[in-house]
Amino acid sequence: NAGVMQNPRHLVRRRGQEARLRCSPMKGHSHVYWYRQLPEEGLKFMVYLQKENIIDESGMPKERFSAEFPKEGPSILRIQQVVRGDSAAYFCASSPRLASGYTYEQYFGPGTRLTVT
Amino acid sequence: EDKVVQSPLSLVVHEGDTVTLNCSYEVTNFRSLLWYKQEKKAPTFLFMLTSSGIEKKSGRLSSILDKKELSSILNITATQTGDSAIYLCAVYSGGSNYKLTFGKGTLLTVNP
Repeated sequence: NAGVMQNPRHLVRRRGQEARLRCSPMKGHSHVYWYRQLPEEGLKFMVYLQKENIIDESGMPKERFSAEFPKEGPSILRIQQVVRGDSAAYFCASSPRLASGYTYEQYFGPGTRLTVT
Repeated sequence: EDKVVQSPLSLVVHEGDTVTLNCSYEVTNFRSLLWYKQEKKAPTFLFMLTSSGIEKKSGRLSSILDKKELSSILNITATQTGDSAIYLCAVYSGGSNYKLTFGKGTLLTVNP
C-alpha cells in the first residue's frame, strides 16, 4: 500500500542547470498536484494534472517551469535554468477521481528539497 | 485573493496538556477545509470538514468547522512528544475542488 512517491528526496543544482522532479501517485489515483513550499511560507499550488492533460497551471511561473503526467510513468516537474530563488521544497499530491460537486482529500509525498547553488 | 491564517504560529506545551489550534479563512466559494500534520516528511492527512458544526474525531485529535465564523479549530488532548509537528490548515479555494490554499502552519512542540 505504497503512498505517493517522490524522487529524488534531495537535489542540488548549480545555477543554470535543469532540475527534474518525479512523482508517482498512490495506486488507483489518476490526479496529481504539485505544490511549492518556500522558506517561511505555506505550500502554494502550482499545477494540477491528469494523465496526458494539464488541467490548471495557474500557479506555475510563466517561464522555465513545466509539468507533465504521461500515459505511462511518473509525473515530472521540470525547472530549466534554475536560479537561487527556485530553492524550495516541492511536494506532489494525488487524489482519486474528482466528481463535480465533491471534494476529496489529497495525499502528499515526502517532497523533493531543491537547493540551487 | 484567497487567504488562510493560522494561529498561533508556534506553541510549546508539556506532555499531557490540551491544545487548541486555530484556522480562519477568506475564500471565494468555500468547499472544504482540511487539516494536515507535517513532520520532517510528507504532510499527513488528518481531517476534511465540509459541513459546519460537525466534529471529526480520531483518537485524541478532533476538529470542528464554523462556517458562520469562517474558522476551524483542531484540538489535541493529552498531548505526547510524538504530536510535535507543524499542523497545516488548507481550504479548497476559488470554487475549485482541486486547488488547496494553505496557511503557514502552527509549530507545536510537546516537551516531556
